[in-house]
Amino acid sequence: KQEVTQIPAALSVPEGENLVLNCSFTDSAIYNLQWFRQDPGKGLTSLLLIQSSQREQTSGRLNASLDKSSGRSTLYIAASQPGDSATYLCAVTGAGNMLTFGGGTRLMVKP
Amino acid sequence: NAGVTQTPKFRVLKTGQSMTLLCAQDMNHEYMYWYRQDPGMGLRLIHYSVGEGTTAKGEVPDGYNVSRLKKQNFLLGLESAAPSQTSVYFCASSYSWTGSYEQYFGPGTRLTVT
Repeated sequence: KQEVTQIPAALSVPEGENLVLNCSFTDSAIYNLQWFRQDPGKGLTSLLLIQSSQREQTSGRLNASLDKSSGRSTLYIAASQPGDSATYLCAVTGAGNMLTFGGGTRLMVKP
Repeated sequence: NAGVTQTPKFRVLKTGQSMTLLCAQDMNHEYMYWYRQDPGMGLRLIHYSVGEGTTAKGEVPDGYNVSRLKKQNFLLGLESAAPSQTSVYFCASSYSWTGSYEQYFGPGTRLTVT
């Protein structure tokens, strides 16, 4: 059974800092990996989707990498801002068209 | 476009009561999903549908039923609510297979069972 782990569970950084969120998964037989953002009391917003054949995807200040063989992904946020404060979730698509989610990293960016 | 909408936003039930959650999408997506999110945990898939008239079980289907009578709607039913079903429920949709297409999520329904 696929298991997805995100470390750390919570992170607090000062504004302007570059930061890295980590995601690991136990079964490397995935089709893609997605990073989502969730604001308190809200739904999920897709940030980046990396297909299994890709190594990374970039969108603005966000860069996500994927190392399928080692079962790892990172989300790099450059020049963090208070508006980046949210919970970040990673999820992988495996057999059966199912997304398996990690527990999330709760990020707080302090002004 | 409204995207994915969910009704209701909040609900409180007593043990043994029944209810139906409604999910609607206006993106003409084939695939629709129901998830639950519990504190400190990621989302877990309850049921999903790959097209009108079809449904399939996800990771945690027990105690729930679903129906997809129209392409744009996906209903989640609780026949006899239990306190263990207290959770936030999210609906999502995708154009096609999740292996190639991203999922779009609704705002969630917060359900409390007392």
